[in-house]
Amino acid sequence: NAGVMQNPRHLVRRRGQEARLRCSPMKGHSHVYWYRQLPEEGLKFMVYLQKENIIDESGMPKERFSAEFPKEGPSILRIQQVVRGDSAAYFCASSPPGRTYEKLLFGSGTQLSVL
Amino acid sequence: KQEVTQIPAALSVPEGENLVLNCSFTDSAIYNLQWFRQDPGKGLTSLLLIQSSQREQTSGRLNASLDKSSGRSTLYIAASQPGDSATYLCAASNAGNNRKLIWGLGTSLAVNP
Repeated sequence: NAGVMQNPRHLVRRRGQEARLRCSPMKGHSHVYWYRQLPEEGLKFMVYLQKENIIDESGMPKERFSAEFPKEGPSILRIQQVVRGDSAAYFCASSPPGRTYEKLLFGSGTQLSVL
Repeated sequence: KQEVTQIPAALSVPEGENLVLNCSFTDSAIYNLQWFRQDPGKGLTSLLLIQSSQREQTSGRLNASLDKSSGRSTLYIAASQPGDSATYLCAASNAGNNRKLIWGLGTSLAVNP
């Protein structure tokens, strides 16, 4: 298993388009976290999901952003009608079920650029 | 509300020097504290994780300590090498079920040959 896989690595969108970011957690991991790193700012928590459930979305903007982690397939972070301020690096991390004391494993991130 | 601060923001040292990176947090009710390394275009690599009940963790030339009472953690790098050049981030995991991480802004380290 190659660990946490994120794709695409780089995504370019024009204002108003939709961006879909994918995260495949490490095999056996059922917890997924999304973080955003804005230019010149630290990473910020966005959302925490388990299979088919959103556990904590307190860091998600109220509009245009949504996340899911279906029973089958990767976790998806969806940004509708992107604006230039959405340009950032988006990181996904995963951890095993019931063993959240273990350190999170991060993917390499998706760099979103909005033109 | 947990806040994490890292000092210094940037550090440049000659190769071979021992160095200390500092991290402070405002809420001592943490679950654990982690140190990460971020290389440009390569995402985040977890270096060390210290549980709230522990005082320190070691991995190779790296040693991280945790003092909950003072709200501080340090990352000690021994005999620094140019390959250690990266941004080092600390992140505190809050107590509770979610374990979401609160991040510092990082220390950008340059080790010069």
